Amino acid sequence: AQSVSQHNHHVILSEAASLELGCNYSYGGTVNLFWYVQYPGQHLQLLLKYFSGDPLVKGIKGFEAEFIKSKFSFNLRKPSVQWSDTAEYFCAVMNSGAGSYQLTFGKGTKLSVIP
Amino acid sequence: EPEVTQTPSHQVTQMGQEVILRCVPISNHLYFYWYRQILGQKVEFLVSFYNNEISEKSEIFDDQFSVERPDGSNFTLKIRSTKLEDSAMYFCASGGNSGNTIYFGEGSWLTVV
Repeated sequence: AQSVSQHNHHVILSEAASLELGCNYSYGGTVNLFWYVQYPGQHLQLLLKYFSGDPLVKGIKGFEAEFIKSKFSFNLRKPSVQWSDTAEYFCAVMNSGAGSYQLTFGKGTKLSVIP
Repeated sequence: EPEVTQTPSHQVTQMGQEVILRCVPISNHLYFYWYRQILGQKVEFLVSFYNNEISEKSEIFDDQFSVERPDGSNFTLKIRSTKLEDSAMYFCASGGNSGNTIYFGEGSWLTVV
């Protein structure tokens, strides 16, 4: 069964610092990759997704992620975080090669941005 | 922007009672899902629904659970006889024609006492 690992449970940054959140997955076949964000008291919102093509994908709010197939990784980055980026971030994988639309989530990384 | 809406936002129920959680998916979407998140744990897949039938389900989705799309707009999750361990946030989600981009609702927080 596939699994998703997010190595950082809680990240604390000052405003304007750069962000990189790690995500690794275990499945070796064709996958679709996602990052979702959950702001306090709100629902999961799609930040960005990778299906195929350019491994560097850009999402909303200045976020981007890079798919590195050889490392089974899909790390999320933002050059300069803002206080409003305080939220929980979830990496998720879909086993598209098997025709499944089931998302497997990581445990999430809580980001706290200090003004 | 179209949204997935869920009701109720919070429900408290006694152990053994039946619960129905309701969802209105995004209107032109064809794929529907339920996920849950127990406090402090991962978001977990429960079930997916396409073309009026279950297409995938997880081990969590046992005989106590059922889903229905009764009227072409609502998508419901029924828990027949709730247990304490069913306490969780339940997320409804929907996906478009290809099903591979999934949008989530705000969740229904179920507390079983």
